[in-house]
Amino acid sequence: KNEVEQSPQNLTAQEGEFITINCSYSVGISALHWLQQHPGGGIVSLFMLSSGKKKHGRLIATINIQEKHSSLHITASHPRDSAVYTCAVLGGGATNKLIFGTGTLLAVQP
Amino acid sequence: NAGVMQNPRHLVRRRGQEARLRCSPMKGHSHVYWYRQLPEEGLKFMVYLQKENIIDESGMPKERFSAEFPKEGPSILRIQQVVRGDSAAYFCASSSTNTQQFFGPGTRLTVL
Repeated sequence: KNEVEQSPQNLTAQEGEFITINCSYSVGISALHWLQQHPGGGIVSLFMLSSGKKKHGRLIATINIQEKHSSLHITASHPRDSAVYTCAVLGGGATNKLIFGTGTLLAVQP
Repeated sequence: NAGVMQNPRHLVRRRGQEARLRCSPMKGHSHVYWYRQLPEEGLKFMVYLQKENIIDESGMPKERFSAEFPKEGPSILRIQQVVRGDSAAYFCASSSTNTQQFFGPGTRLTVL
């Protein structure tokens, strides 16, 4: 079992829909990242969370440390949101390495 | 403030050659991380460096791979005697202490 699990693995939505991607983890963490990667493109770090909720434009990320769960929401989705979204957790201790989820491939259709 | 820079963006090598990948962190960042993304797979941690020190290399293959982050200049990921299985996208990220990691555009290595 992976230390970081995401669901769904694939998601197709119609433009304008509200989208939720979930991330669960089994290890102790100091923070969690949400990353976006367009096909063949680079990686954009959308959020880093250690508690509560963050919002940036149409993107909202929440984390529940007790339940070891985070969600990424996209409101009023647009075809340009089509990308792979990956959550990655930052373990505690001296190492700052990220442990990545399996990614969610999102396709938003016009 | 320029972001994380990587070069080259694309690198083609023949089997047995050496590959050198460079990463310049964001200004003010002293922590560098290298990650590898194999075709059709997710990202995997390779190595974490601070200036002149390797902090965690638990994700580095034991042979042929090395990394450095000298006092001056970019961080270098070096792959000796490349094989086809080394073909992947290699991303570096940088941060200052305990902050968000910012990723470079990646180097796509193709081994012929």
